[in-house]
Amino acid sequence: TQLLEQSPQFLSIQEGENLTVYCNSSSVFSSLQWYRQEPGEGPVLLVTVVTGGEVKKLKRLTFQFGDARKDSSLHITAAQPGDTGLYLCAGGLSGGSNYKLTFGKGTLLTVNP
Amino acid sequence: GAVVSQHPSRVICKSGTSVKIECRSLDFQATTMFWYRQFPKQSLMLMATSNEGSKATYEQGVEKDKFLINHASLTLSTLTVTSAHPEDSSFYICSASAVLQSQFFGPGTRLTVL
Repeated sequence: TQLLEQSPQFLSIQEGENLTVYCNSSSVFSSLQWYRQEPGEGPVLLVTVVTGGEVKKLKRLTFQFGDARKDSSLHITAAQPGDTGLYLCAGGLSGGSNYKLTFGKGTLLTVNP
Repeated sequence: GAVVSQHPSRVICKSGTSVKIECRSLDFQATTMFWYRQFPKQSLMLMATSNEGSKATYEQGVEKDKFLINHASLTLSTLTVTSAHPEDSSFYICSASAVLQSQFFGPGTRLTVL
């Protein structure tokens, strides 16, 4: 079973602060995806990274995939209350003809105005 | 693009009854659909993977006779919770995939079993 350790589990910060969420595993993944989920809704895909060392930016969000494709980080600059939500990382692996995602436990982010 | 819908969004049923949840890919054909379960403030746990026209593959610990999955077409998969009990109350989320490494999630279905 591939496990993804996500940290921190809870994070409460003030508007304007920066933060980083980490996702670590002892397993190698073919891809790593980050999702954001609002209460009572399904996860929304933010980004997919597939190449070791890859860095992707989405406005104030920066995503990095580790060189060994075992870990990833999400950095948010100047957080805003609208960034509040549950952030989930998910590692992708091919299993036969199917491609499955293993999810981390999530980081519940609260950005206070 | 890549819109996935679920119906119903909320359902309340009595213990012992069966509940069917539909998952549809609205603007693409999904060769694979996945069903997840999520408890409050917890992450998603994969229940099963279904490919169109074939039997679903269930994760360890998931009862296939209790959670019946049908993937009859490239745009529709259904999850039926049979003889539901209060411990089956949860948030059920489906996702659909057309190409490798991309899963698009539905909005979820909140099941409450009384």
